[in-house]
Amino acid sequence: DTEVTQTPKHLVMGMTNKKSLKCEQHMGHRAMYWYKQKAKKPPELMFVYSYEKLSINESVPSRFSPECPNSSLLNLHLHALQPEDSALYLCASSQDSGRTDTQYFGPGTRLTVL
Amino acid sequence: SQQGEEDPQALSIQEGENATMNCSYKTSINNLQWYRQNSGRGLVHLILIRSNEREKHSGRLRVTLDTSKKSSSLLITASRAADTASYFCAVIQGAQKLVFGQGTRLTINP
Repeated sequence: DTEVTQTPKHLVMGMTNKKSLKCEQHMGHRAMYWYKQKAKKPPELMFVYSYEKLSINESVPSRFSPECPNSSLLNLHLHALQPEDSALYLCASSQDSGRTDTQYFGPGTRLTVL
Repeated sequence: SQQGEEDPQALSIQEGENATMNCSYKTSINNLQWYRQNSGRGLVHLILIRSNEREKHSGRLRVTLDTSKKSSSLLITASRAADTASYFCAVIQGAQKLVFGQGTRLTINP
């Protein structure tokens, strides 16, 4: 199974809402990633978890809160978002977080903040 | 800062023709990767070329790497409508950060 799944596929939320994005992989990968992608732009790294510990936070605002409950799951908790946070949020995983690892991406969650 | 810069930004060709996309980067690398993204979907890894390799093939894909010029190219031969997508090069920055180029939007016309 080389699949990374993400739920929900689409999410519309108001600026006062709290919601969560979920990501799951069953490939035994030990590194997981969150990316944000705006329209017609490349993905930009937000967070990296390596062996269930947060190893990189790309100076992401605190209204985005990642969580890695176990090696297969990655969540992104959202609170008090702004309209400019509307984007495609991509989850990825890799065997490890080494320099030669291929990352496997999920289909993304398209988030709209009203 | 973005490591990979790609050109052209957009490319439209007829089915059956070859498509070539170029990528430039700024720092030394261990490897360079190419990904494909269908409209608004996740990315699919296509190929990884290591810094000590000059050319690599995978099916209809051919990737070249010139470390002296800090550039790479992706050639898709005998294009098909299903190849319509955005293509990104990516390099590792630091230990874990994968940085993508701006991407080339490829359209294959039937």
